[in-house]
Amino acid sequence: AQTVTQSQPEMSVQEAETVTLSCTYDTSESDYYLFWYKQPPSRQMILVIRQEAYKQQNATENRFSVNFQKAAKSFSLKISDSQLGDAAMYFCAYRGDNNDMRFGAGTRLTVKP
Amino acid sequence: NAGVMQNPRHLVRRRGQEARLRCSPMKGHSHVYWYRQLPEEGLKFMVYLQKENIIDESGMPKERFSAEFPKEGPSILRIQQVVRGDSAAYFCASSPLPTARGGLNTQYFGPGTRLTVL
Repeated sequence: AQTVTQSQPEMSVQEAETVTLSCTYDTSESDYYLFWYKQPPSRQMILVIRQEAYKQQNATENRFSVNFQKAAKSFSLKISDSQLGDAAMYFCAYRGDNNDMRFGAGTRLTVKP
Repeated sequence: NAGVMQNPRHLVRRRGQEARLRCSPMKGHSHVYWYRQLPEEGLKFMVYLQKENIIDESGMPKERFSAEFPKEGPSILRIQQVVRGDSAAYFCASSPLPTARGGLNTQYFGPGTRLTVL
């Protein structure tokens, strides 16, 4: 079974600085998708960024980028120029052939002004 | 294009009552997924449905829980004889046919229904 591990329950960053959230996963599949979702206090799940495992190039969405290391099964999220609105729970998720998504336990990000 | 809609947003039930949670997928999406989130935890997969079919219910408790996605109308997650342990946020997600690469394997989430069992 696929598992997703987020080893940082909480992270803190100064406004305008850069922070990296870690995620590792375990799978025997060769083709899969990885996601980062943001969950603000409203509890809405918002897709931040996605990565297809067959693509070597790291995905980038404005201030958000990933460092995808397939061999190491690592999928970290980098947030540049952090803003107060980035404060939220961040969940790493894996989706393989069986269509359901496996989520990590989440990392709570605090942004200090 | 309206996003995934869930109602009610908040639902309070007493032990032993039934809870019905509704999910309307995004327009053009025929795949629906239900997840449960306990406090301070990540989302846990419950069930995956297509129109009129349950594809994967491996994450759903064997008793008291059922789900459907009829040909017309929203998907329904039903919890019978609720207990306090059922208190959680229940999220619905939808996607288009997951048969090709590109953007089709992304699940878009609704705002969730927070169920409180007294």
